[in-house]
Amino acid sequence: SAVISQKPSRDICQRGTSLTIQCQVDSQVTMMFWYRQQPGQSLTLIATANQGSEATYESGFVIDKFPISRPNLTFSTLTVSNMSPEDSSIYLCSVRGGDGYTFGSGTRLTVV
Amino acid sequence: DAKTTQPPSMDCAEGRAANLPCNHSTISGNEYVYWYRQIHSQGPQYIIHGLKNNETNEMASLIITEDRKSSTLILPHATLRDTAVYYCIVRGAGDNFNKFYFGSGTKLNVKP
Repeated sequence: SAVISQKPSRDICQRGTSLTIQCQVDSQVTMMFWYRQQPGQSLTLIATANQGSEATYESGFVIDKFPISRPNLTFSTLTVSNMSPEDSSIYLCSVRGGDGYTFGSGTRLTVV
Repeated sequence: DAKTTQPPSMDCAEGRAANLPCNHSTISGNEYVYWYRQIHSQGPQYIIHGLKNNETNEMASLIITEDRKSSTLILPHATLRDTAVYYCIVRGAGDNFNKFYFGSGTKLNVKP
């Protein structure tokens, strides 16, 4: 199955700023998925990123807040814009591989 | 998309079998059941999946009822390292075929 590297692994950011999270996969994949995991909660799908087209966002998530880039088949970025303390979460990327889906280890974001 | 219902937590003695139930009463005929687990501060890890038949691999067994409205994940000999949150997921169908929607999960506590 694919191996995913996420950067940064964690960050502490000031409110009102933006953070871009990178997701690198060791093989070419058509779809990449971004999830959010709020403290003590389950994972929530943010959007699906296809190479060469606009990302598809789930209900409750908008492009202005979570812009996504997908420049090639092995890389994607998620930006958390104009952050507030409510954005403090773990953000994970995922790709389809093997018998299921492979997840990165996540980016732990704290907004102060 | 089908929703899943799991008990919030369960305890299991080390060396005993852990049986984790999941209800998915609205599952449709072509939707798969997946199980993942998340050990603290890590990304979710694939365990097993199935459609209709019972499945077994080196990690676990999956028992799906005949009407497919519920399933049970069985860890045959639980160890302390199996302490994690276990997610039962029904994989979307149609336009949502490539999406995972996580439920709230079951926190399994394996005790010595």
